Amino acid sequence: NAGVTQTPKFQVLKTGQSMTLQCAQDMNHNSMYWYRQDPGMGLRLIYYSASEGTTDKGEVPNGYNVSRLNKREFSLRLESAAPSQTSVYFCASSEALDRVNQPQHFGDGTRLSIL
Amino acid sequence: AQKITQTQPGMFVQEKEAVTLDCTYDTSDQSYGLFWYKQPSSGEMIFLIYQGSYDEQNATEGRYSLNFQKARKSANLVISASQLGDSAMYFCAMRERNAGNMLTFGGGTRLMVKP
Repeated sequence: NAGVTQTPKFQVLKTGQSMTLQCAQDMNHNSMYWYRQDPGMGLRLIYYSASEGTTDKGEVPNGYNVSRLNKREFSLRLESAAPSQTSVYFCASSEALDRVNQPQHFGDGTRLSIL
Repeated sequence: AQKITQTQPGMFVQEKEAVTLDCTYDTSDQSYGLFWYKQPSSGEMIFLIYQGSYDEQNATEGRYSLNFQKARKSANLVISASQLGDSAMYFCAMRERNAGNMLTFGGGTRLMVKP
């Protein structure tokens, strides 16, 4: 029962470095999402992909790019990391975007620290 | 304005007792869904329960139930017979059809179960 798998689980970067967070789901879901969670706060949407081949900005997209590689995989890239991007990043997926009753299922998160 | 408000930053409950976690929401949409997620100290986000805006009955899932008061725009989570493993952060979230079915989170409530 893998569900949503994120790699890596932890990462430390220096300011200005780039990296890609990987996410894969095995539930045959159409929609995928990237969130960030800052200390003591709820999750905020960075980018989402309603279906394979589409991506759209969420609430806090600046400094990030995404790629929906195929139906299973959705990656998040930090081109030039900044300390303000220190956070826990969650990937999620749901069956579809067009119904309010679809829960999103989350990966275990990636703890990213930028020095 | 905050879409989802959780007014209890932290709560204690005695083991085996019931506890209610508050959630109020703000929407003008007729079609929306309300979700509760649990985040233990290990960090993962676990989907607990869903309530649709058109559902006439309160949702229940095992020891979790949702006290849905539509006119008051509240969707409180009730956990019966608390267990030590219930100690975690709990997040209320909403999807609105007119907002593209994006999931918006509240700030969370930290629940601590005392033995």
